[in-house]
Amino acid sequence: NAGVTQTPKFQVLKTGQSMTLQCAQDMNHEYMSWYRQDPGMGLRLIHYSVGAGITDQGEVPNGYNVSRSTTEDFPLRLLSAAPSQTSVYFCASRNREETQYFGPGTRLLVL
Amino acid sequence: GDSVTQMEGPVTLSEEAFLTINCTYTATGYPSLFWYVQYPGEGLQLLLKATKADDKGSNKGFEATYRKETTSFHLEKGSVQVSDSAVYFCALSSPGGSYNTDKLIFGTGTRLQVFP
Repeated sequence: NAGVTQTPKFQVLKTGQSMTLQCAQDMNHEYMSWYRQDPGMGLRLIHYSVGAGITDQGEVPNGYNVSRSTTEDFPLRLLSAAPSQTSVYFCASRNREETQYFGPGTRLLVL
Repeated sequence: GDSVTQMEGPVTLSEEAFLTINCTYTATGYPSLFWYVQYPGEGLQLLLKATKADDKGSNKGFEATYRKETTSFHLEKGSVQVSDSAVYFCALSSPGGSYNTDKLIFGTGTRLQVFP
């Protein structure tokens, strides 16, 4: 199993540009989520999904969109990037025993 | 709402020293408690967990006991190694009725630096 994979590993955007952060898991987990990690703030939940076709907002959803068309994939879209979205983004999936598996992260810099 | 509070870091220790990282929580109901570890440049990995009061989670020499009376889940290790240098996150799973609605709430993380 590859576990949770994320692409790209690093991205630089200009303010106003759009992009999609990709996330995939091969463990057949129903629950997937996106977090952002900022210094001194731990991990904050952006969006999550409890299964294909079902998504919901987390703690900091503004500026981000998600969709879940398959169990495996859970992309995160930034429609118009802002410097405040400079962060490290982690995708995760969770099994029924509540263990969360994280991807390696995407480091995003918005200029 | 539910929350997790961790001690501020960094924690700096010499190899073979005893480690304690404090974690306390606020929650309604009976959450599960977790410690995750993040090595440099990597994502978080589950270190250990406990699902009910008085449970002790353990892994790789680390231990933590779920203390309901003090709402704590302190992480301990008897003898740290340089390879333990990482950021440690305490977390709770906020009950939502089923695993699909539980929310994982993280503390801010504690950086541990171990020197030879």
